[in-house]
Amino acid sequence: AQSVTQLGSHVSVSEGALVLLRCNYSSSVPPYLFWYVQYPNQGLQLLLKYTTGATLVKGINGFEAEFKKSETSFHLTKPSAHMSDAAEYFCAVSKMSSNTGKLIFGQGTTLQVKP
Amino acid sequence: EAGVAQSPRYKIIEKRQSVAFWCNPISGHATLYWYQQILGQGPKLLIQFQNNGVVDDSQLPKDRFSAERLKGVDSTLKIQPAKLEDSAVYLCASSPRDRGSYEQYFGPGTRLTVT
Repeated sequence: AQSVTQLGSHVSVSEGALVLLRCNYSSSVPPYLFWYVQYPNQGLQLLLKYTTGATLVKGINGFEAEFKKSETSFHLTKPSAHMSDAAEYFCAVSKMSSNTGKLIFGQGTTLQVKP
Repeated sequence: EAGVAQSPRYKIIEKRQSVAFWCNPISGHATLYWYQQILGQGPKLLIQFQNNGVVDDSQLPKDRFSAERLKGVDSTLKIQPAKLEDSAVYLCASSPRDRGSYEQYFGPGTRLTVT
């Protein structure tokens, strides 16, 4: 069975500081990996995804993530936090071989950006 | 391109009452998903449709929840009777499911409060 663990339910950084949100997954087959962002009272928006190929994936709003198979990790980073980055972030996994595209989500990490 | 539409955005009902949510996916998207997001948790898949057929409803509480997707376009999710633990945000998502694309596009959600 697949699962996702996001380390840290709340992360607080200062504006301009590095953002690091951690995600570890469990999957018996090659995974597809995703990061979604959710602003208050809105749906989820895709930040970036890893399917195949390059393990360093660049997404929207300056975010990037690196797929590390040996560590079963897909951590999300951004060099310099902006106030508008404050939101909830979800890591998700899907089976590469799945015929359903079903996503398994982590519990989420709330990012707070302090001025 | 219009996004995924959902209505109502908010609903408050008493336990044992019934409620229905509506979703209109992005035009041309064959796959439609309903997720339940309880406060403080990641979204959990309730049911997935491919066109108007059910692909996965393994986590749908079928004694009280039902869903349909008429003509492979719009979808409704119904709860009857509602319980307190059904308080959550119900998210609808759609996907084109093109080869190599597992990206899901989410609507703004319906926030249900059961009192």
